[in-house]
Amino acid sequence: LAKTTQPISMDSYEGQEVNITCSHNNIATNDYITWYQQFPSQGPRFIIQGYKTKVTNEVASLFIPADRKSSTLSLPRVSLSDTAVYYCLVVSTDSGYSTLTFGKGTMLLVSP
Amino acid sequence: NAGVTQTPKFRILKIGQSMTLQCTQDMNHNYMYWYRQDPGMGLKLIYYSVGAGITDKGEVPNGYNVSRSTTEDFPLRLELAAPSQTSVYFCASSYNDDPPTGDQAFFGQGTRLTVV
Repeated sequence: LAKTTQPISMDSYEGQEVNITCSHNNIATNDYITWYQQFPSQGPRFIIQGYKTKVTNEVASLFIPADRKSSTLSLPRVSLSDTAVYYCLVVSTDSGYSTLTFGKGTMLLVSP
Repeated sequence: NAGVTQTPKFRILKIGQSMTLQCTQDMNHNYMYWYRQDPGMGLKLIYYSVGAGITDKGEVPNGYNVSRSTTEDFPLRLELAAPSQTSVYFCASSYNDDPPTGDQAFFGQGTRLTVV
């Protein structure tokens, strides 16, 4: 199972772009990279998932270099409501099953 | 569209008591999961199920049991509650193809359990 490492916390201001980088050095060929967001007292919410290169949706972009040993979640023009914990997950499917393993995540604090 | 529904939202148990945390999903998902989250920590997988009648242990299964008799329901049973089981419990579900691709999981709102 690929271990992920991401910063414990980050600070930003409203309107700025925020990039959160996650390292996953021992990612396997069939693993996917997935990011979740969690607000206090709520369950995590899926943000984005990718395998390689770049993925973009209405909420965020995910950049994955060719070696796939890291990934960067990019949040454009953050607002106060983006204050949350962001989890980077490597979803392993080698066993034939797909399970989600959460680390401690990155606490993003957005200030006015 | 209910998604994943957990009951109860809050519960206080005495040491040694038992209870069942209920989880239901209406999205016809094949995968279901139970996680616990201690204060300031990430989520830890307790048990998961890849389909009705199939369950498997996660990272922290001791003290818990699950069953999956239907696609919709995945109850978590706590036997002989201990203070170490004080936590917030999240149920989740997802749909995965065969072979699985780790599709997005949908989480319930959680059950806050205190064992005293």
